[in-house]
Amino acid sequence: AQKITQTQPGMFVQEKEAVTLDCTYDTSDPSYGLFWYKQPSSGEMIFLIYQGSYDQQNATEGRYSLNFQKARKSANLVISASQLGDSAMYFCAMRENRDDKIIFGKGTRLHILP
Amino acid sequence: AAGVIQSPRHLIKEKRETATLKCYPIPRHDTVYWYQQGPGQDPQFLISFYEKMQSDKGSIPDRFSAQQFSDYHSELNMSSLELGDSALYFCASSSSGNGDTDTQYFGPGTRLTVL
Repeated sequence: AQKITQTQPGMFVQEKEAVTLDCTYDTSDPSYGLFWYKQPSSGEMIFLIYQGSYDQQNATEGRYSLNFQKARKSANLVISASQLGDSAMYFCAMRENRDDKIIFGKGTRLHILP
Repeated sequence: AAGVIQSPRHLIKEKRETATLKCYPIPRHDTVYWYQQGPGQDPQFLISFYEKMQSDKGSIPDRFSAQQFSDYHSELNMSSLELGDSALYFCASSSSGNGDTDTQYFGPGTRLTVL
């Protein structure tokens, strides 16, 4: 069965520092996709970055990068040079390619301190 | 770029009433998904449609039904509302077969409050 684990319920980080949000996953499907979404206090769910299970290189999107370690089933999100606007809930998620649904972790609430 | 549109953004209903939530996917997206996010929870998948046919089903109560129309918009119909149905309901859309790995883009959500 699919499972996403985010072990950090909350994090406090100083502005301009880099931050790593942890995510581990479990699946028996060899073909899957990993996602990170950001949910600000306003409630919308914003797509940040995607990593495919067969991708050889770590995904990057601007200040976001995904540290994909397939053997460890780990997909950590790295945010470089954090900004106050990065304060939000961050969800790690996975979709097995045989399914439509995305399974989400419980989330990590990130607080950026000025 | 155009995003997923959901209406209404906020909805207040009484117990046992019905509600209809609407979703307009990103243009040229052919797949629509519905998720329910309870307070302090992660989103839970309800149902999805591809080319107007139901393609996957999750933990959707029998009191709920949904469909996708010929213009690809979708509606989630909720009947006999219960207090526990109070949640943020997301619609997401994706495009199959475009090499984009079917990334699901979420709408802003409809916040349903059942009194």
